Amino acid sequence: GNSVTQMEGPVTLSEEAFLTINCTYTATGYPSLFWYVQYPGEGLQLLLKATKADDKGSNKGFEATYRKETTSFHLEKGSVQVSDSAVYFCALTYTNAGKSTFGDGTTLTVKP
Amino acid sequence: NAGVTQTPKFQVLKTGQSMTLQCAQDMNHNSMYWYRQDPGMGLRLIYYSASEGTTDKGEVPNGYNVSRLNKREFSLRLESAAPSQTSVYFCASSAGGQQETQYFGPGTRLLVL
Repeated sequence: GNSVTQMEGPVTLSEEAFLTINCTYTATGYPSLFWYVQYPGEGLQLLLKATKADDKGSNKGFEATYRKETTSFHLEKGSVQVSDSAVYFCALTYTNAGKSTFGDGTTLTVKP
Repeated sequence: NAGVTQTPKFQVLKTGQSMTLQCAQDMNHNSMYWYRQDPGMGLRLIYYSASEGTTDKGEVPNGYNVSRLNKREFSLRLESAAPSQTSVYFCASSAGGQQETQYFGPGTRLLVL
């Protein structure tokens, strides 16, 4: 079956540090890949997505590139802020299938 | 535009009690989902509804039932609550078809004593 494996957390960084959160997946065919973010006490919200190989999703300074050859979708940000402290989830979905498979989430804490 | 709303926000139950979690979306989405979130286990799909009038089991359906009341509403019922059902429950919706992005509600925190 499908699975998503995320870098284990928690991750603690100082403000302005570079962020990488690794995500790899196991799936057949060509799923779409997502990063969702969950701020304390809230539901998940879409951060970025990519729908085909070599696509780059980007939003709010975060980027991730759909790498089919390495089955990866690593999240990066060049300079994190305290407000980026949250839990980040990698997920995959097949078009028209609806159901998503989520990773376990990675907690990021950014200290001033 | 409220998006996805859930009620209640927080609930305490005793073992064996029943309750219904309510979810509604105002985005005219076809698909709706119920997840539970437990520490260290990410999100697990309980049930989903690909379209009005259909429901299907997800990864962890035991102990739950759902009703897709209409296109807007998708409820989750616990008939006889157990401490193992203590969790945070999220409802989500998506347009379906080519639009796979899911939109989540704020969650219901359930404690079963």
